[in-house]
Amino acid sequence: NAGVTQTPKFQVLKTGQSMTLQCAQDMNHEYMSWYRQDPGMGLRLIHYSVGAGITDQGEVPNGYNVSRSTTEDFPLRLLSAAPSQTSVYFCASSPLAGGPNEQFFGPGTRLTVL
Amino acid sequence: RKEVEQDPGPFNVPEGATVAFNCTYSNSASQSFFWYRQDCRKEPKLLMSVYSSGNEDGRFTAQLNRASQYISLLIRDSKLSDSATYLCVVNDAGGTSYGKLTFGQGTILTVHP
Repeated sequence: NAGVTQTPKFQVLKTGQSMTLQCAQDMNHEYMSWYRQDPGMGLRLIHYSVGAGITDQGEVPNGYNVSRSTTEDFPLRLLSAAPSQTSVYFCASSPLAGGPNEQFFGPGTRLTVL
Repeated sequence: RKEVEQDPGPFNVPEGATVAFNCTYSNSASQSFFWYRQDCRKEPKLLMSVYSSGNEDGRFTAQLNRASQYISLLIRDSKLSDSATYLCVVNDAGGTSYGKLTFGQGTILTVHP
């Protein structure tokens, strides 16, 4: 099992550009989520999904879109990048039963917006 | 007030020391509690769950005080390899059946020879 994979590992964007961060898991987990991690802020939930076709907003959803067309994939789209979106982005997955307690994280994408 | 609050540290301790981290949470309806560990520039990983009766895993002991809304992690006989950031995590059901995790900002631990 590859677990949770994320691409790219690093990305530099200019203000206003759009891009998609990819996330995939091969553990057949229903629950998938996206977090951003900023110094002194901890991980903050952006969007999450409890299954294919179902997504919902987290704590900081503005400027981001998600979709879940398959159980395996949960891409995060930045619509028009802003310097405030410079961060480390983590995708995570877990079984749904019992709640998203042990989340398995991908290695992260380090994004810089100039 | 932050939903989950930790002392960010850093804690600098010698090998063999005992160190304790504290965490408070604001939502009295929170259902589940965890400690995650994050190594530098890596992803977080589950260290241990925290049960109401307290639980131990080797050198690590976690305790929960629901009345005071307080979680703790005790590390005995610290090793160099314990150097990491320790994240306090709370599962808030938020009216759903599956909940969502809220992370504290983390406590940095450095163990030195």
